[in-house]
Amino acid sequence: DTEVTQTPKHLVMGMTNKKSLKCEQHMGHRAMYWYKQKAKKPPELMFVYSYEKLSINESVPSRFSPECPNSSLLNLHLHALQPEDSALYLCASSLGTVQDLHFGNGTRLTVT
Amino acid sequence: AQSVAQPEDQVNVAEGNPLTVKCTYSVSGNPYLFWYVQYPNRGLQFLLKYITGDNLVKGSYGFEAEFNKSQTSFHLKKPSALVSDSALYFCAVRDGNTDKLIFGTGTRLQVFP
Repeated sequence: DTEVTQTPKHLVMGMTNKKSLKCEQHMGHRAMYWYKQKAKKPPELMFVYSYEKLSINESVPSRFSPECPNSSLLNLHLHALQPEDSALYLCASSLGTVQDLHFGNGTRLTVT
Repeated sequence: AQSVAQPEDQVNVAEGNPLTVKCTYSVSGNPYLFWYVQYPNRGLQFLLKYITGDNLVKGSYGFEAEFNKSQTSFHLKKPSALVSDSALYFCAVRDGNTDKLIFGTGTRLQVFP
């Protein structure tokens, strides 16, 4: 079982909806990440938080809004998404930005 | 720019036979190399990494990888494959300038009974 917990496991939303993805870890990791993964493709980095501060934004559209309320939690707020945003969204954490990543099992998002 | 290449989309092997999943890298400076595995409907799981030291790295579930500087390769190996090893395998390299992890395109391993 993974030590990074993501909720919900599945999410279906319309293009006008607002929803949030949640991620939680209690390993004391100081870096947290959001990745997007399309089927049979490698994960694509979206955002990195280091010590609760946003350190990397990979030019992600503003309809995706990350939030790191504290060192254990990471949210991804979604608004006005497009069908092409349908994917598996993976959260990961690491002790530092150069260490091994620990991934959650992801949220399977479908935008209708 | 840092990159890794996984030349095989799929590798098929019979259970009990040795397996190899190939990865080559292109980096400036010393490479930090990783292997991750992804089972269906799961996130990625860390298998092993090479930072420095012994060229033969041992990891989880009986996997190992050999760092070969002259061939710029970091192939994943296992002496005896199990059907449960069937999954998607990603090689990755850390970009020393940005600290980002750069993934290869992935190789699907199918182990047949």
